[in-house]
Amino acid sequence: TQLLEQSPQFLSIQEGENLTVYCNSSSVFSSLQWYRQEPGEGPVLLVTVVTGGEVKKLKRLTFQFGDARKDSSLHITAAQPGDTGLYLCAGGRSNDYKLSFGAGTTVTVRA
Amino acid sequence: DAGVIQSPRHEVTEMGQEVTLRCKPISGHDYLFWYRQTMMRGLELLIYFNNNVPIDDSGMPEDRFSAKMPNASFSTLKIQPSEPRDSAVYFCASSFTGSPGLEVDTQYFGPGTRLTVL
Repeated sequence: TQLLEQSPQFLSIQEGENLTVYCNSSSVFSSLQWYRQEPGEGPVLLVTVVTGGEVKKLKRLTFQFGDARKDSSLHITAAQPGDTGLYLCAGGRSNDYKLSFGAGTTVTVRA
Repeated sequence: DAGVIQSPRHEVTEMGQEVTLRCKPISGHDYLFWYRQTMMRGLELLIYFNNNVPIDDSGMPEDRFSAKMPNASFSTLKIQPSEPRDSAVYFCASSFTGSPGLEVDTQYFGPGTRLTVL
């Protein structure tokens, strides 16, 4: 059983469209990280959010941490083929250096 | 700067054989993590070290799995004997907790070792 549930599992969209990926849990986390993984490579950190309600923007990517620190979302505006990859959310807790990863959302952006 | 280095990148072995996966973390990092990734179970933490000392091995599936970190620049994950259900991509990651009280830091992942047990 995944501590963090991601949805949808798969997402295929046309270049230029917008998309949102969700990460939900019944547990509270002190921090939430988003990683992107490309085929044959390891995950690469995109962002870390630590405050409930926090919103961070990274170019066309917008990340939000829920007020109760149990959920997060990733929104991509005007998606490009380079955004294709597996997006993973990971939750961290105080006094614990472990991260709990969601199962991931596979995003495919068609040219 | 070199990132996390893992070897081999691919390993194909037969059931019952011993498998050793190797990892060189980023120089100066004080945490090292071993993960396993499968389609069914996603990315699972197996074990992690702090300053070469194992801190939490609760994710290690069973006694067939063992991990060591003899020094700050090298770690191994050994499976003996290997079984087909061990087939997965194994990742090593390292991080540096530079500031007191900073509990979450970036984990830098290696490229992974794809293990196939026939």
